Formats: sequence, structure tokens, C-alpha cells
Amino acid sequence: QLQLQESGPGLVRPSETLSLTCSVSGGSISSSNYHWGWIRQPPGKGLEWIGRIYYSGSPYYNPSLKSRVTISVDTSKNQFSLNLSSVTAADTAVYYCARGAAGFDPWGQGTLVTVSS
Amino acid sequence: DIQMTQSPSSLSASVGDRVTITCRASQGIRNDLGWYQQKPGKAPKRLIYAASSLQTGVPSRFSGSGSGTEFTLTISSLQPEDFATYYCLQHNSYPLTFGGGTKVAIK
Repeated sequence: QLQLQESGPGLVRPSETLSLTCSVSGGSISSSNYHWGWIRQPPGKGLEWIGRIYYSGSPYYNPSLKSRVTISVDTSKNQFSLNLSSVTAADTAVYYCARGAAGFDPWGQGTLVTVSS
Repeated sequence: DIQMTQSPSSLSASVGDRVTITCRASQGIRNDLGWYQQKPGKAPKRLIYAASSLQTGVPSRFSGSGSGTEFTLTISSLQPEDFATYYCLQHNSYPLTFGGGTKVAIK
């Protein structure tokens, strides 16, 4: 059974870079049938798609975040990562990673990242 | 961007009620839509994919329909464990976009 787990700092200072990693277990990230995505949810609000990547690369980002986002993949570690630069309080959210193919399934449990000094 | 308008934003219902939630796309998305259930403090869980296909393991009281711009999620007989927030997601074109959510509460 495929499982995803987000990891990274829970607190990031304003103007710094948020960095998260999603570790995939129970299956290989190196499948051409799927892509790997990041989604976030500010406290008490709805879901926002951040971007996705294939195991071979080819990232695609939400234009609303494109200038600040980088998604990368490390097939040797069965992981993919999210970097979000120049963060502000508006980037405070639960960040989810998920496997993509006609939507997303399964999802990681999510990790809360708070942007505060 | 394709806008997904979900309605209602909230509803209250009783156990055993039939519940219908709607998502309207700002342009045609074929059947490239899924429905997700989210309980407090948990990750979303996909219930329906390709507008009407039931995810493995999801109870048959959940069903989806629609194509193009109008989609519905129906819960035929609401159960206590179904009280949650529901979202639609279109994956027809980038950026992928979610509906605003529908919170289903106990009446």
C-alpha cells in the first residue's frame, strides 16, 4: 500500500524559504503512470494546488506561485521536494503531498508550516 | 484558469437524508473531475474519480454524475461518519483547481 509522508520545519521566518520533502513508501516514485504533487490548505480555508512533477522531471507550477516555487524529485531516495521562497504569513498552511493521476490519491497526512518571526 | 463553483457552501442534514452537492466549472472539463471528503485534522480522501467512478473501498451510497460543466455528488443515505467537508477538483487543465468546499453538518 502506497504511503506518503511530508517532513520539514514547522516554523519558517518571513522572507526565508520553506522546504519540505515527501517520502514515498510501499511503491516506486519512478512510474510513468503518475505524477507527484503538492497541495496546501491555510487554516480554516480551502485547498490550493501548488504544482506537480514526474519522476523524470518536467515540473509544472500554479501561476499564482510560479515565481517562488521549485519542485524537484530524487528517485534514488524515492522522494520529491518543495521549496517556496520569500514566504509571508499568507503562506502559513498545512502542506500535503499526493500521488497524481486523474486527481490525487493517496495523500500524505499533511504538515503544518507556520510563517512567523 | 478554470473556476470551480461549489454549492452549497454548507448544509445541515439528518442521518438517513439524501444529500446532493454541486460543482459548476467555468468552462467544459469533460469528465475530468473528482470528489474528495475531508474530516477535521485529516487529509482529503478521494471518493469519486472521472466524475462518476467510485474509488475502491468507498461505500456505494456515494455517487457522482455529470459531464462538461455541471457535476453532482450524491450521498443516498447520510451516515454519521459522512459528516465532513467535501471538495471537487478539476484536472482537465492547469492550474488544477478545487471547489470552495461544502461542509455537511448534523441537523
